[in-house]
Amino acid sequence: EVQLVESGGTLIQPGGSLRLSCAASGLTVSSNYLSWVRHAAGKGLERVTITYADGTTFYADSVKGRFTISRDNSMNTLYLQMNSLRAEDTAVYYCARDRNTKTTLAEYWYYDLWGRGTLVTVSS
Amino acid sequence: DIQMTQSPSSLSASVGDRVSITCRASQNINSHLNWYQLKPGRAPKLLIYAASSLQSGVPSRFSGSGSGTDFTLTISNLQREDFATYYCQQSVTAYTFGQGTQLEIK
Repeated sequence: EVQLVESGGTLIQPGGSLRLSCAASGLTVSSNYLSWVRHAAGKGLERVTITYADGTTFYADSVKGRFTISRDNSMNTLYLQMNSLRAEDTAVYYCARDRNTKTTLAEYWYYDLWGRGTLVTVSS
Repeated sequence: DIQMTQSPSSLSASVGDRVSITCRASQNINSHLNWYQLKPGRAPKLLIYAASSLQSGVPSRFSGSGSGTDFTLTISNLQREDFATYYCQQSVTAYTFGQGTQLEIK
């Protein structure tokens, strides 16, 4: 079965650090585009970061300089290192796979596979 | 950033009803629009991609339409398992999502 399973979420104090993991099965992290997407209660979804198959990364302005996405190909696992955490980082964090479909007109991207998420609560 | 505005923010309906959710982009996104279903404790589910293409395994009662800036997700013959929160997402640049529509049982 193709799946993504997140772990590592917990209650942590402001200013603290945390590493989330996303274990993949049925797919290879090194050859896929993978994102971390978060969902804060009462708010919409936000793409936090993405890593492309060539290693290129992109970060939302809200986390730039504080969060780092990485992969361990031997463990087939995606990570999100979160430093200098703030209350506004409180959310369920999902990992998701980016896929695309090409037509004669365009290339369409979407998240076709998600994990169940892991909850990060930043509070004193 | 491209802003996505969904309406309504919440919706009450009964099993068997037909409902529609709209999503408006702040600029032309052609057909680069996706729809997702979220339920607490579950992995989010892709329903529609490229505005109107049904993802494999998704029931045909779900349909999407629109292009440019205005889009619609329609659910026909609502089933109990459809009561959830729905989000639109643009995938032209720096993916952004709508604020969500919570579909509740009347």
